[in-house]
Amino acid sequence: EPEVTQTPSHQVTQMGQEVILRCVPISNHLYFYWYRQILGQKVEFLVSFYNNEISEKSEIFDDQFSVERPDGSNFTLKIRSTKLEDSAMYFCASSFLAGESYEQYFGPGTRLTVT
Amino acid sequence: GENVEQHPSTLSVQEGDSAVIKCTYSDSASNYFPWYKQELGKRPQLIIDIRSNVGEKKDQRIAVTLNKTAKHFSLHITETQPEDSAVYFCAAVIDGGATNKLIFGTGTLLAVQP
Repeated sequence: EPEVTQTPSHQVTQMGQEVILRCVPISNHLYFYWYRQILGQKVEFLVSFYNNEISEKSEIFDDQFSVERPDGSNFTLKIRSTKLEDSAMYFCASSFLAGESYEQYFGPGTRLTVT
Repeated sequence: GENVEQHPSTLSVQEGDSAVIKCTYSDSASNYFPWYKQELGKRPQLIIDIRSNVGEKKDQRIAVTLNKTAKHFSLHITETQPEDSAVYFCAAVIDGGATNKLIFGTGTLLAVQP
């Protein structure tokens, strides 16, 4: 069964540094998402992406965050200047279509630790 | 904005007993309600979902019920097994266009004691 993949599995960075988290969605999927989960808390929506543009973003997704689909397979999340509070598990997800009939498939996550 | 509340935060049951997790959503425009199971350190995985035009759905030992009037939906696990131990998240989706973001509840840690 096709899966969403993410790299790296764990990223440690210093405060103020830029990080790029990478995701390869399922190949025929059209909708892409980033979520984050601070340790012990619920999963929170960050941003959705469709047709090469952001379709919705949350309050968390401020100017320090950006997303890109640089080619036909990768979907990236960039944090320009990391803060301690950015430490979390970041999940990428994809779906074939939007709408209540279509499941979002989650990747295994990237654990980001900001020191 | 949409908010989803989930109870209880922790639930401990004996193997073979039933477990019930309840969620309440705030936005009446929500019309799709998936449930995800997350094992420690793993990705959330969909276990069952229900659409707003259905009141109940069952898949083997798992069932979900939806009360649109009260804006409540619940997950029922019967004959629990130790491998059911995990964190369970409910979610709500507003079918409003190209986004369909998942709004998650706060999670329930289910522990099934052998």
